[in-house]
Amino acid sequence: DGGITQSPKYLFRKEGQNVTLSCEQNLNHDAMYWYRQDPGQGLRLIYYSQIVNDFQKGDIAEGYSVSREKKESFPLTVTSAQKNPTAFYLCASTKLGTSKQETQYFGPGTRLLVL
Amino acid sequence: AQTVTQSQPEMSVQEAETVTLSCTYDTSESDYYLFWYKQPPSRQMILVIRQEAYKQQNATENRFSVNFQKAAKSFSLKISDSQLGDAAMYFCASLPRGSNYKLTFGKGTLLTVNP
Repeated sequence: DGGITQSPKYLFRKEGQNVTLSCEQNLNHDAMYWYRQDPGQGLRLIYYSQIVNDFQKGDIAEGYSVSREKKESFPLTVTSAQKNPTAFYLCASTKLGTSKQETQYFGPGTRLLVL
Repeated sequence: AQTVTQSQPEMSVQEAETVTLSCTYDTSESDYYLFWYKQPPSRQMILVIRQEAYKQQNATENRFSVNFQKAAKSFSLKISDSQLGDAAMYFCASLPRGSNYKLTFGKGTLLTVNP
């Protein structure tokens, strides 16, 4: 089946620890995105990438890092510099150069909790 | 900067009835896209409907339709013949053309469907 997978579903972080959230897609999509969702809030963009080995900061990039070594994968690292990481994290992707390139499709999300 | 406002934090509807969710947006762009996404308790974000701003005709997808008022910057979602499975958080989002596909989300409306 084609789709976007995120792992793990739940993740626990200790103080001072870096953790990495996985996002993989087999849709042959070009662009990938990371969003953060807090209770009572909409989604906010953390980072996005339109091409391998290139990515841009979104609105709330501080305390996060990403890499895009493969077209299918866009992992997000939550560093110890992120002081309030507890949130729900959603990955999305889209196929560029098509009539529906503006439409983003989402993975199932990862819930990150701080111990 | 884009802003999206959903003025109804919560709405409820009786099964088989019709409900309208409100959304207003602010943009200086002349060409953009508008979306409604649904987030059920599983928290997966699902695209409900998409509207291109240059198209006068309101988009429809089965029981879902929009009332797009470009001059008023209004983009409401109408759900007809509501079903229990429609219960979810609904997010309105905007995306200017040529914005590197950066979506801006509202804070959401929680829809309850009563049997």
